[in-house]
Amino acid sequence: QQQVKQSPQSLIVQKGGISIINCAYENTAFDYFPWYQQFPGKGPALLIAIRPDVSEKKEGRFTISFNKSAKQFSLHIMDSQPGDSATYFCAAETSGSRLTFGEGTQLTVNP
Amino acid sequence: NAGVMQNPRHLVRRRGQEARLRCSPMKGHSHVYWYRQLPEEGLKFMVYLQKENIIDESGMPKERFSAEFPKEGPSILRIQQVVRGDSAAYFCASSPTFPNTEAFFGQGTRLTVV
Repeated sequence: QQQVKQSPQSLIVQKGGISIINCAYENTAFDYFPWYQQFPGKGPALLIAIRPDVSEKKEGRFTISFNKSAKQFSLHIMDSQPGDSATYFCAAETSGSRLTFGEGTQLTVNP
Repeated sequence: NAGVMQNPRHLVRRRGQEARLRCSPMKGHSHVYWYRQLPEEGLKFMVYLQKENIIDESGMPKERFSAEFPKEGPSILRIQQVVRGDSAAYFCASSPTFPNTEAFFGQGTRLTVV
């Protein structure tokens, strides 16, 4: 019940395209859903996060869509750029607890 | 304001030796989390500590692994009698006094057991 399922495992997008990564969870006690970006050899860095009281959050080219009834959330990267090529992790957390991560999506944006 | 500092960045140990990984949280952060990342895999929770207390160690292997976060100094993840399967990247994250609206990760320590 603590798992977070992430898909796809890898994604190739052309420059300027839209990258979409999906996550699903079971534990309805989760109340914080961040996305992390990780470049090779680096630590994960927080990209954008959402709480379940809103259905969408946008920051620049990055948007989280959240569907509470379906227990799913997704990351959309608009106008994808080669510099966005990285591994993306969704995560979920209950207050006062710790993050549970998805398995990661390796995104490649071709020039 | 320096970020989460982990050292060493790379650590090579022979089988049977001890590995000590250090993590200094961001200034003002009193919550520390350790995660392990195997190659091509996601981050797996190991342990959650506050100053001088272990809050959740449900992800820690029962043997050979221990963690502490003393009143003074960095948090330490200690692996005794390392085996090849311990080879991984170990990441530390910290969050402010009230957990956990935003966790900041260090650059990680890449442990190689030969």
